[in-house]
Amino acid sequence: KQEVTQIPAALSVPEGENLVLNCSFTDSAIYNLQWFRQDPGKGLTSLLLIQSSQREQTSGRLNASLDKSSGRSTLYIAASQPGDSATYLCAVLYGNNRLAFGKGNQVVVIP
Amino acid sequence: NAGVTQTPKFRVLKTGQSMTLLCAQDMNHEYMYWYRQDPGMGLRLIHYSVGEGTTAKGEVPDGYNVSRLKKQNFLLGLESAAPSQTSVYFCASSPSLAGAETQYFGPGTRLLVL
Repeated sequence: KQEVTQIPAALSVPEGENLVLNCSFTDSAIYNLQWFRQDPGKGLTSLLLIQSSQREQTSGRLNASLDKSSGRSTLYIAASQPGDSATYLCAVLYGNNRLAFGKGNQVVVIP
Repeated sequence: NAGVTQTPKFRVLKTGQSMTLLCAQDMNHEYMYWYRQDPGMGLRLIHYSVGEGTTAKGEVPDGYNVSRLKKQNFLLGLESAAPSQTSVYFCASSPSLAGAETQYFGPGTRLLVL
């Protein structure tokens, strides 16, 4: 069974600092890894999708890396802003198109 | 283009009552999914569908039934609601099994079972 772990569960950073969120998964046989953002009371919004053959993806201030062999991914958010406050979810696509989710990193950016 | 929509947004049920949650997508996606999200548990897959008329069990299917009579709709039914089914339910859709595309999520349905 695929298990996804996100560390830390919650963190607070001052505005302007870089954010580093970690995700690990137990089975390296994945199709892709995604990072989602979830605002309170809202659905999930896809931020970055990294195919299993890729090492990283970038979008604006966001950069996600993937080391499939070690079962790890890291999401970097540069120069954090209060608007980045949200829960960030990591998910891996495996098996018969199933997504396994981590429990999330709850982020608060302090102005 | 509304994406993925869910009805209702919020519902309160008494134990033993039944209800149906409706998910609709206008992106012509083949694959649709129902998840539940509970505090400290993350999202878990309940049931999914790989096409019109087909459904399959996910990680936590007990107590739920689903139907996919039309490609654009995926219904989740609770025949006899239990307090353990209090949760936030998310529907999602995706265009393919290839893994190149993300799943698109609806805004969620909050269900409280008393």
